[in-house]
Amino acid sequence: AQSVTQPDIHITVSEGASLELRCNYSYGATPYLFWYVQSPGQGLQLLLKYFSGDTLVQGIKGFEAEFKRSQSSFNLRKPSVHWSDAAEYFCAATNSGGYQKVTFGTGTKLQVIP
Amino acid sequence: DTEVTQTPKHLVMGMTNKKSLKCEQHMGHRAMYWYKQKAKKPPELMFVYSYEKLSINESVPSRFSPECPNSSLLNLHLHALQPEDSALYLCASSQGNLNTEAFFGQGTRLTVV
Repeated sequence: AQSVTQPDIHITVSEGASLELRCNYSYGATPYLFWYVQSPGQGLQLLLKYFSGDTLVQGIKGFEAEFKRSQSSFNLRKPSVHWSDAAEYFCAATNSGGYQKVTFGTGTKLQVIP
Repeated sequence: DTEVTQTPKHLVMGMTNKKSLKCEQHMGHRAMYWYKQKAKKPPELMFVYSYEKLSINESVPSRFSPECPNSSLLNLHLHALQPEDSALYLCASSQGNLNTEAFFGQGTRLTVV
């Protein structure tokens, strides 16, 4: 079955520290991959996406993600976290062909401490 | 304009009420979606409209009735809801294919009393 796994439910980092959020997918072929961010009570905002090509993807707000086919992973990174980055982060995937629905991971809540 | 606008932002309704949630986008997108999101959970897909036709219904109870009057508008009609239907309802749109990025609205926080 197709699935997206975010193994970390909650992560706490200090402001200015680096961040890596993990995402693993299980799909028959290389999926389209996304990272979304959601602040409390708000909608989802797309941070970045991977469809094909360069496996290191740059997104908004200083985020980047690296697609690793051998590890079925698409981890999100940021070199220096700001207090405003505290939010819920969702990894998502969908098949690369056809009209398929997106599968979301269960989310990782990021807490930033001063 | 990359906005998806949802109204109202908050809604409290009784179990016998009829209400509607509205969603609007002016990006020329031809696919629109309704998601339901419970606290501390990812969004769950409810309905997909493609070119104003219902293309996906994820076995949603009939007390939720979607409508797509035109390519810019999406409604969700609510009737005889249950307290467990209380959630954040998110609307999203994309160019016309679920394999492209979706833009989400800010959501409607629904409370059923």
